[in-house]
Amino acid sequence: DTEVTQTPKHLVMGMTNKKSLKCEQHMGHRAMYWYKQKAKKPPELMFVYSYEKLSINESVPSRFSPECPNSSLLNLHLHALQPEDSALYLCASSLVGAGAGGMDTQYFGPGTRLTVL
Amino acid sequence: EDQVTQSPEALRLQEGESSSLNCSYTVSGLRGLFWYRQDPGKGPEFLFTLYSAGEEKEKERLKATLTKKESFLHITAPKPEDSATYLCAVPSNAGGTSYGKLTFGQGTILTVHP
Repeated sequence: DTEVTQTPKHLVMGMTNKKSLKCEQHMGHRAMYWYKQKAKKPPELMFVYSYEKLSINESVPSRFSPECPNSSLLNLHLHALQPEDSALYLCASSLVGAGAGGMDTQYFGPGTRLTVL
Repeated sequence: EDQVTQSPEALRLQEGESSSLNCSYTVSGLRGLFWYRQDPGKGPEFLFTLYSAGEEKEKERLKATLTKKESFLHITAPKPEDSATYLCAVPSNAGGTSYGKLTFGQGTILTVHP
């Protein structure tokens, strides 16, 4: 089973709201990722967690706050977003953490469609 | 800096009309390449990992090949359900703190008409 789940599927929020996106996997993967994808563009990496520690932050604005409570769960906390943050947010996971040569296959979830009004 | 270029940007085929998608890359020390399929509004679905030049992998109507400078995704006798965006990606070779970084191509939008 290579399933990554994400909730909610859709989210509409105002610029003053606080919301969270949730991602879960039960494949024993130790690396988890957040991507942002705009229409007709490839996914754009935001954060990487390896063994529950943040290993990559691609200079993402602080209004996006990731959290990895355990090896199966990844959250993305959202606060004071802008309309240009509207996008499809994708979570992915891969089997092995740092040191595996970067060739681990990343398995993606279905995404959360976020609209910021 | 790693670069991945996919062509064509869009491809329209008739059902049963075989064709190929191209993914060319400029990376130092390629360690492999991934192919994904993405349906509109959904997450990318993993198709293939290719590790070295000369490697080929097949899945149903799809066959992926890898050379030292490019990869091809061959689609044999496509069906309308093969319509999707096909993405290729290569891992960063920077190692260490760059683990997990993928450089994606812009994708090829494939439409198969019945």
